[in-house]
Amino acid sequence: AQSVAQPEDQVNVAEGNPLTVKCTYSVSGNPYLFWYVQYPNRGLQFLLKYITGDNLVKGSYGFEAEFNKSQTSFHLKKPSALVSDSALYFCAVRDWGYGNNRLAFGKGNQVVVIP
Amino acid sequence: EAGVTQFPSHSVIEKGQTVTLRCDPISGHDNLYWYRRVMGKEIKFLLHFVKESKQDESGMPNNRFLAERTGGTYSTLKVQPAELEDSGVYFCASSQAYGGGETQYFGPGTRLLVL
Repeated sequence: AQSVAQPEDQVNVAEGNPLTVKCTYSVSGNPYLFWYVQYPNRGLQFLLKYITGDNLVKGSYGFEAEFNKSQTSFHLKKPSALVSDSALYFCAVRDWGYGNNRLAFGKGNQVVVIP
Repeated sequence: EAGVTQFPSHSVIEKGQTVTLRCDPISGHDNLYWYRRVMGKEIKFLLHFVKESKQDESGMPNNRFLAERTGGTYSTLKVQPAELEDSGVYFCASSQAYGGGETQYFGPGTRLLVL
C-alpha cells in the first residue's frame, strides 16, 4: 500500500528565510510524487510533481522539491519565504506499480510565514 | 479554461437527511475522482470514474454513499442517510489521461457539516 508522512503539524518561518516542508513516502513500486497547496477558503492547487529524471523538480511560485530515493523523501523547499506563502501544504504519492490511479495524501502541514 | 467546480460550497444538514454534492470536471477530462478530508486528517480517496464507469470505488466508506456520472460529464455524490461522521470537506478532482504521472486538478471542495 502507498502512504505519506508529513511529520510536522506546523512550520513557522520568518519572511525572507528558507522554507522547507518535509515529506516521506512508502510505496511498493515506482513512486510518482506531488505537492499541493491549499490557501484559506480555496481548493487544492497543484504545485509540482516528480515522475522521473532529474531529482530536483521546479514548480509554481518559486517552489522546488528534491526527490531522494534512498531516504524515500520528497521535501518541498523555497529559498525565500513570503507572507503570502502561508497556507496548508499537502504531499501526495501515487504508487503506479500498485495498479491504481488514486493519490495517497499526508495529513498536511500548516505553514506560517511571520512578517 | 474553467477549472473543476463543485456545488454547493457549504452544506449543513441534520443527521438522517440526504445531501447530494455535485462536481463538474475540467472539460475534456475523462477521469474524475472524489476525495474526502475529515477534520485535521489526511485527504482520503473515495472513488475514480473513467468517463461514466467506476474504475475504482474501493475508498467508499459504506453503502450510504452513492456516486454517479451519467453521460461521463458531471458527477454527483449522494449521502443517504447522513451520519455525524460524514462531516468533512469533499473534494473532486479530474485528469485528462490515465497514467502514473498524470496531474489531478482539484476543485474548491464542499464543506459538509452533519448535526
